[in-house]
Amino acid sequence: EAQVTQNPRYLITVTGKKLTVTCSQNMNHEYMSWYRQDPGLGLRQIYYSMNVEVTDKGDVPEGYKVSRKEKRNFPLILESPSPNQTSLYFCASSLSARGYGYTFGSGTRLTVV
Amino acid sequence: GNSVTQMEGPVTLSEEAFLTINCTYTATGYPSLFWYVQYPGEGLQLLLKATKADDKGSNKGFEATYRKETTSFHLEKGSVQVSDSAVYFCALGRDSTLTFGKGTMLLVSP
Repeated sequence: EAQVTQNPRYLITVTGKKLTVTCSQNMNHEYMSWYRQDPGLGLRQIYYSMNVEVTDKGDVPEGYKVSRKEKRNFPLILESPSPNQTSLYFCASSLSARGYGYTFGSGTRLTVV
Repeated sequence: GNSVTQMEGPVTLSEEAFLTINCTYTATGYPSLFWYVQYPGEGLQLLLKATKADDKGSNKGFEATYRKETTSFHLEKGSVQVSDSAVYFCALGRDSTLTFGKGTMLLVSP
């Protein structure tokens, strides 16, 4: 089944403790992206990647890092999480930037205390 | 920059009523336009899309037409069902990114 898989689905952590949210897709998509969803703000893009080793900042990149060492994986790294990063995170992938739309993962609900 | 504005919700309808959710956009060039749907506790699913002016996207009884002259992509359905209750997001695709509206919650009662 074609899908984007994120792990974990739920995570509670403490301020400053480094964490990684994994994302993997099995559709050989070139484009991958991370979004955060917050009430009243909709979805905002954090980072995106156009191919292996090619990444760029989205609208809200502060406090996040990404890497794209393999085509299928696009992990999101929070080096020093803070409470304002408490949010619902989605990973998504697409065959191309235009026209195909993104396939989304099921989401990771992160709480930073 | 790019932006998407969609009507605020919640939109509350009775089953079999007609649905319209308005969406307008601001963008340079010729973006692609999408509607995504998010059911409770789930990720976003692509509902329909249009890639150029006057294209009509359709799926599961939902339709939207890419109107360049009014920069709009309104979502419509002739007869909604309780199972259509969800949050609907209008989105604009340009270069390597998707820009989303804030979402419109639809609540359909029997």
